[in-house]
Amino acid sequence: EPEVTQTPSHQVTQMGQEVILRCVPISNHLYFYWYRQILGQKVEFLVSFYNNEISEKSEIFDDQFSVERPDGSNFTLKIRSTKLEDSAMYFCASSERGSGGYTFGSGTRLTVV
Amino acid sequence: GEDVEQSLFLSVREGDSSVINCTYTDSSSTYLYWYKQEPGAGLQLLTYIFSNMDMKQDQRLTVLLNKKDKHLSLRIADTQTGDSAIYFCAFSPGGGNKLTFGTGTQLKVEL
Repeated sequence: EPEVTQTPSHQVTQMGQEVILRCVPISNHLYFYWYRQILGQKVEFLVSFYNNEISEKSEIFDDQFSVERPDGSNFTLKIRSTKLEDSAMYFCASSERGSGGYTFGSGTRLTVV
Repeated sequence: GEDVEQSLFLSVREGDSSVINCTYTDSSSTYLYWYKQEPGAGLQLLTYIFSNMDMKQDQRLTVLLNKKDKHLSLRIADTQTGDSAIYFCAFSPGGGNKLTFGTGTQLKVEL
């Protein structure tokens, strides 16, 4: 069964450093997403991406965040200058159509120290 | 804004049925979803229901939708220890392509 692959599974970084979280969506999917889950809290939408541009973003997704699809297979989330409160599990997802039935990756646990 | 509430915790005995409930405020979603999250893992789509249906059955899973009361439930028949996980309801506010998740219900299955 096709999977969404995320790397690394766990990243520890110092406050103020830049991090790039990587995702390989399912190959025939056209819509890509990032969500995050702070420990013990809800899963929150960050951003959706379609046709090489952001289609929607939440208020969490401020200027410190950016997404990119640098080639035909990868989808990345960059946090420019990490803060302690960015510590969370970050999930990538993709879907064939714009509604529902998303496939999620297993997540990257980001720890900012 | 969107608000999706679930009870935090449910404990059942193996072999019993589990019922996980979800209430929401925004009724514009075309589909409503149930996701399962096992410890340390991602979110697995379990099942979903189209908003003009009131029930959907899929093997051991039954989804009930009461649009009038804005209430969604997931029933797991013959609950097994492997069903222990956190269960999230989710929907797409305004029928768009982002998901809003509930707070999650941790299901614990005891022998």
